[in-house]
Amino acid sequence: GAGVSQTPSNKVTEKGKYVELRCDPISGHTALYWYRQSLGQGPEFLIYFQGTGAADDSGLPNDRFFAVRPEGSVSTLKIQRTERGDSAVYLCASSLTSGGGADTQYFGPGTRLTVL
Amino acid sequence: AQKITQTQPGMFVQEKEAVTLDCTYDTSDQSYGLFWYKQPSSGEMIFLIYQGSYDEQNATEGRYSLNFQKARKSANLVISASQLGDSAMYFCAMRVHSGTYKYIFGTGTRLKVLA
Repeated sequence: GAGVSQTPSNKVTEKGKYVELRCDPISGHTALYWYRQSLGQGPEFLIYFQGTGAADDSGLPNDRFFAVRPEGSVSTLKIQRTERGDSAVYLCASSLTSGGGADTQYFGPGTRLTVL
Repeated sequence: AQKITQTQPGMFVQEKEAVTLDCTYDTSDQSYGLFWYKQPSSGEMIFLIYQGSYDEQNATEGRYSLNFQKARKSANLVISASQLGDSAMYFCAMRVHSGTYKYIFGTGTRLKVLA
């Protein structure tokens, strides 16, 4: 079956602009995570959805970042008034449930965001 | 504080040899999960292996095994019979439960397999 997909693969924008990054999880996966990965670093947690609701948004850096998942499947990460420091790869991951055990996340290919 | 530490920014290994990538973790939780992911230059994170905190046996998946030493809080990845295609970044991650499940990643180790 299809894996996690993310669009666009690359996004170049100017400082101050608004961007939307899309994630399409594996079909049937109820949990969806967004991460940000800066160069040379590991993924940094941003937000986690269980179904349609944001169960944990403690990783969002500030109120310029917002994410939605209105139908419990596709999610969109929205960044307002982009800053150069927002440049990074944004990764999306999904897992079958939000439970523990061997249930693991599967990642998409990421969106590379460059803010000029 | 909950943290993953990977102290090897880069490693080299000769093709067909075994290599160990180090990972130590810090958590006060009794129940947690430990994961290893591979990230090739293409950028996609690929799940390799999982170890639960209550699992008594070390996890194995093909050429990958996880050397879990709970008392030392270490979860090292062992890759046997290295292949050129193993060259990539490797991330250790810990899943903890603080209201919801959250994954914490280390800074990664870049592995280069030499022909």
